[in-house]
Amino acid sequence: ETGVTQTPRHLVMGMTNKKSLKCEQHLGHNAMYWYKQSAKKPLELMFVYNFKEQTENNSVPSRFSPECPNSSHLFLHLHTLQPEDSALYLCASSQGRARETQYFGPGTRLLVL
Amino acid sequence: AQSVAQPEDQVNVAEGNPLTVKCTYSVSGNPYLFWYVQYPNRGLQFLLKYITGDNLVKGSYGFEAEFNKSQTSFHLKKPSALVSDSALYFCAVRLLGQGGKLIFGQGTELSVKP
Repeated sequence: ETGVTQTPRHLVMGMTNKKSLKCEQHLGHNAMYWYKQSAKKPLELMFVYNFKEQTENNSVPSRFSPECPNSSHLFLHLHTLQPEDSALYLCASSQGRARETQYFGPGTRLLVL
Repeated sequence: AQSVAQPEDQVNVAEGNPLTVKCTYSVSGNPYLFWYVQYPNRGLQFLLKYITGDNLVKGSYGFEAEFNKSQTSFHLKKPSALVSDSALYFCAVRLLGQGGKLIFGQGTELSVKP
């Protein structure tokens, strides 16, 4: 799991707060992803970045704002979230987007009060 | 619609017995198929994948999976289960021509009892 790291591991925030999740990959990959994992639901792809360019936004509400300053770092900026946004947020990276395996970080457990 | 199904929410197996976690898919074209495992409070760990070639794929921790095109299945198997195999298992399919988007099944909780 040290190939993809995420901070913080746990986050509690109020609905009016602004916070950011950070992901860093040490694998030399060029594609990075944000997923949302809610209880009893399949993983939901949120965003895809390839060579720092966003290539997919899976109809994610604007209260989630991604940022990819370089191929190794990915952020998810959070503002005015809702309690239903509480979930495990997973970051992943891959060498390419088609045949290559995605490697996941440990996730950030987010609780919105 | 393209989808992945894991028909069992939970599978219970006695230690030492063989285990199977089922996965079926519905996609157009030739799929790339993956299995991941998630331990409590951890991210997903890659187990194995099928891209092309031999239908029987061997992966980490003694797991293997068999690609069956006629039945559109990719079941995960292990000849002898360990208590430490207890975890949440996800099947996923990579959609071709859609930027490599991964579609995940809903997960199967595997419980191996001593």
